[in-house]
Amino acid sequence: QKEVEQDPGPLSVPEGAIVSLNCTYSNSAFQYFMWYRQYSRKGPELLMYTYSSGNKEDGRFTAQVDKSSKYISLFIRDSQPSDSATYLCAMRQIIQGAQKLVFGQGTRLTINP
Amino acid sequence: DVKVTQSSRYLVKRTGEKVFLECVQDMDHENMFWYRQDPGLGLRLIYFSYDVKMKEKGDIPEGYSVSREKKERFSLILESASTNQTSMYLCASSGGQLQYFGPGTRLTVT
Repeated sequence: QKEVEQDPGPLSVPEGAIVSLNCTYSNSAFQYFMWYRQYSRKGPELLMYTYSSGNKEDGRFTAQVDKSSKYISLFIRDSQPSDSATYLCAMRQIIQGAQKLVFGQGTRLTINP
Repeated sequence: DVKVTQSSRYLVKRTGEKVFLECVQDMDHENMFWYRQDPGLGLRLIYFSYDVKMKEKGDIPEGYSVSREKKERFSLILESASTNQTSMYLCASSGGQLQYFGPGTRLTVT
């Protein structure tokens, strides 16, 4: 079983829809939780990060963490064609004093005009 | 803004060649990382460095080595390239909790 599970999709929705992207994890030692957006043939770009359980909002994006269920989500409101990308969840752990990120597989999202 | 640059966007090499991938960051970050990204496998950590001349193996170090002679520069070396090292290589740097990625190098080994 992978430490971080993410449905790879692909996910296709019409413009303006609310998108929900999710990851589950098994390691209780994970601390920071991040979402990266990766456009085709580009490097991942940090979109949002959060430490504690609860919601964090940034414009049309909301990151949600439920540590008791080991479940994180990214919601995109009023989705736009420019949101079409692969979304990667990532979680940080400390191993022997060094921080490491563990990534989900990524969900490919397409917003149709 | 954090800027992480990688020396090449696309690279084609032959089997058995020695390959150098360079990464430079401009934020005085202590930590730097090399990943490879493959369809269906996601990002996998090859090596990381938390200080100049320091290096640690990641999850898939076999066939790779690294060099960090200066704080801003972290190099990934493929000693003898093989076709199974065809991949997207991503460099990242971090000064704290968050990692910032470069644009990636798409390496093809023929």
